[in-house]
Amino acid sequence: DAGITQSPRHKVTETGTPVTLRCHQTENHRYMYWYRQDPGHGLRLIHYSYGVKDTDKGEVSDGYSVSRSKTEDFLLTLESATSSQTSVYFCAISESGGDEKLFFGSGTQLSVL
Amino acid sequence: GENVEQHPSTLSVQEGDSAVIKCTYSDSASNYFPWYKQELGKGPQLIIDIRSNVGEKKDQRIAVTLNKTAKHFSLHITETQPEDSAVYFCASFILTGGGNKLTFGTGTQLKVEL
Repeated sequence: DAGITQSPRHKVTETGTPVTLRCHQTENHRYMYWYRQDPGHGLRLIHYSYGVKDTDKGEVSDGYSVSRSKTEDFLLTLESATSSQTSVYFCAISESGGDEKLFFGSGTQLSVL
Repeated sequence: GENVEQHPSTLSVQEGDSAVIKCTYSDSASNYFPWYKQELGKGPQLIIDIRSNVGEKKDQRIAVTLNKTAKHFSLHITETQPEDSAVYFCASFILTGGGNKLTFGTGTQLKVEL
């Protein structure tokens, strides 16, 4: 399995609180992604990074921010969590960002009450 | 933008039977079509993929077919086994000037019954 670690694996928080999810990789892949998975919607891209300090928005980026200060770490922040952000969040990595295999982490179950 | 529709949303088959999952895409510029399998509590894993210059690809019990004219592609699993029970996602990829884009279908829950 690709070396991808997501933390925490589970989190329960209250509406309005900030939340940060972490993705750590040991593969030295250039591209890193954050997806959310919801019933009936499949996997939707939130943000992605194509290098240290280089990030861009995905299709559902509102309410989320990201940072990548090191190749191995990609952080997803919910500045003020809302109930609509209750979801399973997956980090993924790839070598070149093109038509290639994505390696996914095991996910973070986030519940916003 | 690209739209990927996946059917059925749930599929139940008897062990040993075949299973077929179908996806359609909207943008004719899509050129790469991966399939991911997600087991309970885990992240998705790539099981097979096909590129637009190929009509069919097979890997043991799994095959994928692509019809570019009709803009649809399908996953075929033969001789299904209980360990094939999982959620399967199709996806399509487009290389655009605004960035590469991978769009996922909504998933199919496959249950293989003994």
